[in-house]
Amino acid sequence: AQSVTQLGSHVSVSEGALVLLRCNYSSSVPPYLFWYVQYPNQGLQLLLKYTTGATLVKGINGFEAEFKKSETSFHLTKPSAHMSDAAEYFCAVSVGSGYALNFGKGTSLLVTP
Amino acid sequence: AAGVIQSPRHLIKEKRETATLKCYPIPRHDTVYWYQQGPGQDPQFLISFYEKMQSDKGSIPDRFSAQQFSDYHSELNMSSLELGDSALYFCASSLAPPLAATDTQYFGPGTRLTVL
Repeated sequence: AQSVTQLGSHVSVSEGALVLLRCNYSSSVPPYLFWYVQYPNQGLQLLLKYTTGATLVKGINGFEAEFKKSETSFHLTKPSAHMSDAAEYFCAVSVGSGYALNFGKGTSLLVTP
Repeated sequence: AAGVIQSPRHLIKEKRETATLKCYPIPRHDTVYWYQQGPGQDPQFLISFYEKMQSDKGSIPDRFSAQQFSDYHSELNMSSLELGDSALYFCASSLAPPLAATDTQYFGPGTRLTVL
């Protein structure tokens, strides 16, 4: 079985500061890892994904994540937070194409002026 | 670009009633997934279909059923509704390999079901 754990249900950063959202995974097979963002009352939008290949993955809106097998981590970062980044962020894992996503509990990002 | 369409966007039902949620995947996508997101919760996988056949099953109650039609749209049928069924129901679609190197699930805006 595969699962992800997101450390910190709420993260607060100042505008312009580094954003770091933590995600650790557990999987018996090489995982496919995803980060999704959800704005209030909206659906889930894919930020980035890791399947195979390069371990540093760049996504939309300036976000990136690095797959670290040795640490079983897939942390999401952004060098400089913007007010518009305030949202709920979900890390997710699947065992491969066509399989369901198992989501973490989510991290609510608050950006303060 | 075309996105996943879900209807209705909002639905209010009484306990013990039935509800049908519809999902129209992105054109050419052959796989559909249903997820349930309770208030303040993470999305939970319910069921998925590939080429009109059920491909995977998650925590879907026996009171719920779903199917995928020949035009690839999918419907989630919910009977004997309970208060606890109040949630946001997401549909996602993807294009499976080998037509895509790896699939990405694209989510619709969701249907908010309220059971009174």
